[in-house]
Amino acid sequence: TQLLEQSPQFLSIQEGENLTVYCNSSSVFSSLQWYRQEPGEGPVLLVTVVTGGEVKKLKRLTFQFGDARKDSSLHITAAQPGDTGLYLCAARTGGGNKLTFGTGTQLKVEL
Amino acid sequence: GAVVSQHPSWVICKSGTSVKIECRSLDFQATTMFWYRQFPKQSLMLMATSNEGSKATYEQGVEKDKFLINHASLTLSTLTVTSAHPEDSSFYICSARDSWQGLFDEQFFGPGTRLTVL
Repeated sequence: TQLLEQSPQFLSIQEGENLTVYCNSSSVFSSLQWYRQEPGEGPVLLVTVVTGGEVKKLKRLTFQFGDARKDSSLHITAAQPGDTGLYLCAARTGGGNKLTFGTGTQLKVEL
Repeated sequence: GAVVSQHPSWVICKSGTSVKIECRSLDFQATTMFWYRQFPKQSLMLMATSNEGSKATYEQGVEKDKFLINHASLTLSTLTVTSAHPEDSSFYICSARDSWQGLFDEQFFGPGTRLTVL
């Protein structure tokens, strides 16, 4: 059983559509991060959410941390081909320094 | 922003040989670096935590004698895959944590190294 389960695993949509990616766990986290990774590159941090119920916006991306700090969502409005990539949630585990990554959501946005 | 480099970016080797991958923090000091492995279409899996001046801490199921980690300075950690086999073929990514950051510190990721073992 994975600590952080993401859904959906794969998502292929047309340009302009909206989408939501979910990151769920049975554990409570002090903070949670979202990353995007493109093929052949390392992941790039998009956002860190800390407070339960917190909502953060990054242009067309909206991130929400669940009230109980067990889950998070990433919503993309009007997706563009440049949004294509692997989206990963991650949380600190094992005493604070280690990051555990979610199972990942592969997004493809087509013209 | 903080930059982490990896060398080489890709490597092809024969089965049974050893391969060394370097991870460098270019503009900050990192007492802690992390090594991850990523198989195609999958997420990152933490292999080990590399601590400057001390032994690395390996995750369960990762063979420490096969994946040798050395963190001899505050800006360099190396991962050596010994006696590599085709099943070791993967994308290896390192990250570094700035020594001077506070509670909500950020890990900075390298660009990864693609290892292919023939």
